[in-house]
Amino acid sequence: QKEVEQDPGPLSVPEGAIVSLNCTYSNSAFQYFMWYRQYSRKGPELLMYTYSSGNKEDGRFTAQVDKSSKYISLFIRDSQPSDSATYLCAMTRGGGSQGNLIFGKGTKLSVKP
Amino acid sequence: DADVTQTPRNRITKTGKRIMLECSQTKGHDRMYWYRQDPGLGLRLIYYSFDVKDINKGEISDGYSVSRQAQAKFSLSLESAIPNQTALYFCATSDLNDEQFFGPGTRLTVL
Repeated sequence: QKEVEQDPGPLSVPEGAIVSLNCTYSNSAFQYFMWYRQYSRKGPELLMYTYSSGNKEDGRFTAQVDKSSKYISLFIRDSQPSDSATYLCAMTRGGGSQGNLIFGKGTKLSVKP
Repeated sequence: DADVTQTPRNRITKTGKRIMLECSQTKGHDRMYWYRQDPGLGLRLIYYSFDVKDINKGEISDGYSVSRQAQAKFSLSLESAIPNQTALYFCATSDLNDEQFFGPGTRLTVL
């Protein structure tokens, strides 16, 4: 079993839709969870950063972590064509020197006008 | 100006050639990383460095070497390039809170 599993998609939705992106993981030691957005021909950029379980909201984006189920989600409300990108989940045991980031393979999202 | 820069942005080379990819950062971070990204395989860690005197192998270090010339510079070398090293290579930096900042990437093709 891979440490981090992420459906690669592609996922195509109409503008304005609510998008749900998900990752599952196997290592219960992971404490810090991130979502990166990567536009075509660009480097990944951090979108959301959460610690342990719970929700975090930033504008149209909400990140959820359920450590009991080893499951994390990213929700995008009122999706826009500019949200079309590949979204990568990442996680770590954290604490500085506690371990490196482990990335999911990414989900490619396309938002159609 | 970009915080993390990579040179070259694109490179085509032949099997057996030595290649160096360079990364510079102005973020003042101690930690630097090299990843490769392949379709269907995601980002995989090649090498990482927590400071100038600390170099560590990542998940897929075979065929690669690195040099940390200064806090701001971290180079990746392919001593004898082979076609399956064709990929998109990213440099990243971080401070102690684990958030990583990525460069724009180098697209390497080995013929």
